[in-house]
Amino acid sequence: AQTIHQWPVAEIKAVGSPLSLGCTIKGKSSPNLYWYWQATGGTLQQLFYSITVGQVESVVQLNLSASRPKDDQFILSTEKLLLSHSGFYLCAWSPPGANTGQLYFGEGSKLTVL
Amino acid sequence: AQSVTQPDARVTVSEGASLQLRCKYSYSATPYLFWYVQYPRQGLQLLLKYYSGDPVVQGVNSFEAEFSKSNSSFHLQKASVHWSDSAVYFCALSMRGSNAKLTFGKGTKLSVKS
Repeated sequence: AQTIHQWPVAEIKAVGSPLSLGCTIKGKSSPNLYWYWQATGGTLQQLFYSITVGQVESVVQLNLSASRPKDDQFILSTEKLLLSHSGFYLCAWSPPGANTGQLYFGEGSKLTVL
Repeated sequence: AQSVTQPDARVTVSEGASLQLRCKYSYSATPYLFWYVQYPRQGLQLLLKYYSGDPVVQGVNSFEAEFSKSNSSFHLQKASVHWSDSAVYFCALSMRGSNAKLTFGKGTKLSVKS
C-alpha cells in the first residue's frame, strides 16, 4: 500500500526566516506530486506539481519554491518567510500517466509565521 | 476559467437527519468532480468521484452525490448523518487531460448536533 508522510507536522517561524517542508511517498513508482496551500479556514490552492524527478511546475507565485530531488520526495521551501505564508500545507500524489484528478493527500504541515 | 461554488459556509443538522451539501461548478465541458472531507488538523480524504455515466455516484460512509449537467451541480447527500460526520467538506473539479489540478470550492463546515 502507498503511504505519504509529511514533515514537520507543525512549525512556528519568524518573518524573514527560511523554511523547508518535506513530503515522502512510499509504495508507488514515479508518482505525480503536488503541493497545496490552505489559508486558515480557507480553500485549497495548488502551488506546484511535478511529474518526474528534477522537474517542477509552478502554478501560483507565492515567493515559495519546490524541488523534487528523488522520485519519492517533494520539498517546499523559501529563504524568507512572510506573514502571508501562514497556513496549512498539503502534499498530494496521483498515479503516473493519465490524470483523472483524484489525489491522495498527506496529513499536512501547519505553518505559523509570527 | 473553471470555478467551484459552495454556497453554504456552514451547515448544522441534527444527528439522524438527512443532509445535502450544495456544489455548483463552472466549466465549459464536463469535468471530473469530487467531494473530499477534511477532519480537524488532517489532510483531505476522498468521499466520492464522478467521471462519467450514471449521474448518481456512491461513496464511502453512505454518502452519495448527483451530477446534473443542466444545473452544473454536484450536490452531496446522506440519508442519516452521524456526529462523526462533523467536518469540512470540499467540492472540487478537475479538467480532463490536465495536470490533475484540482479547483476547490471554499468548503462547507458541517456540524452534527447529537
